[in-house]
Amino acid sequence: TQLLEQSPQFLSIQEGENLTVYCNSSSVFSSLQWYRQEPGEGPVLLVTVVTGGEVKKLKRLTFQFGDARKDSSLHITAAQPGDTGLYLCAGARRGGADGLTFGKGTHLIIQP
Amino acid sequence: KAGVTQTPRYLIKTRGQQVTLSCSPISGHRSVSWYQQTPGQGLQFLFEYFSETQRNKGNFPGRFSGRQFSNSRSEMNVSTLELGDSALYLCASRTTGGNSPLHFGNGTRLTVT
Repeated sequence: TQLLEQSPQFLSIQEGENLTVYCNSSSVFSSLQWYRQEPGEGPVLLVTVVTGGEVKKLKRLTFQFGDARKDSSLHITAAQPGDTGLYLCAGARRGGADGLTFGKGTHLIIQP
Repeated sequence: KAGVTQTPRYLIKTRGQQVTLSCSPISGHRSVSWYQQTPGQGLQFLFEYFSETQRNKGNFPGRFSGRQFSNSRSEMNVSTLELGDSALYLCASRTTGGNSPLHFGNGTRLTVT
């Protein structure tokens, strides 16, 4: 059973468009992290959200943690080809004591 | 500061063999975690070590084992390899635990034939 469901699984859009990636679960997480992974490399942390309802911005990326701490979203404004990659959400329970649970990821392609 | 280093980058083994993967964490990081990444299952947690002790373990068979040395370097061993063990094995280090961020290496690509 996948505890974290990410959608969409694949997304290909044109440069300049906006997009939103979703990460949903029936479980409550103490925190949720978003990573980006490029081919041949390990995931790189983008952001950690801890408080229900929290919104964090990283340049053109906006991350939101659901009020009930069961879901999160990543919104990218005016996507650039450099945003291409695999976006992964990961939830921590019991303060991270059980390791992170990862979603299967969203493969994002931004076409010039 | 050097990042997380994993060796080797690529490995080809045959069924039934065993393999050992190595991970050197970022200097000062005492926690090392291992994850298996496959197209079908995504990233799955294998285990975490902290100060030479296994702190957490994921839902993998006993063929998967690991250890951590006093310098925080870690090794992961898979015995009696199966075709389904083909995957990218990622090591990640962090300072302590909890919500502290994971710093991943670039992985070891294991192919079992």
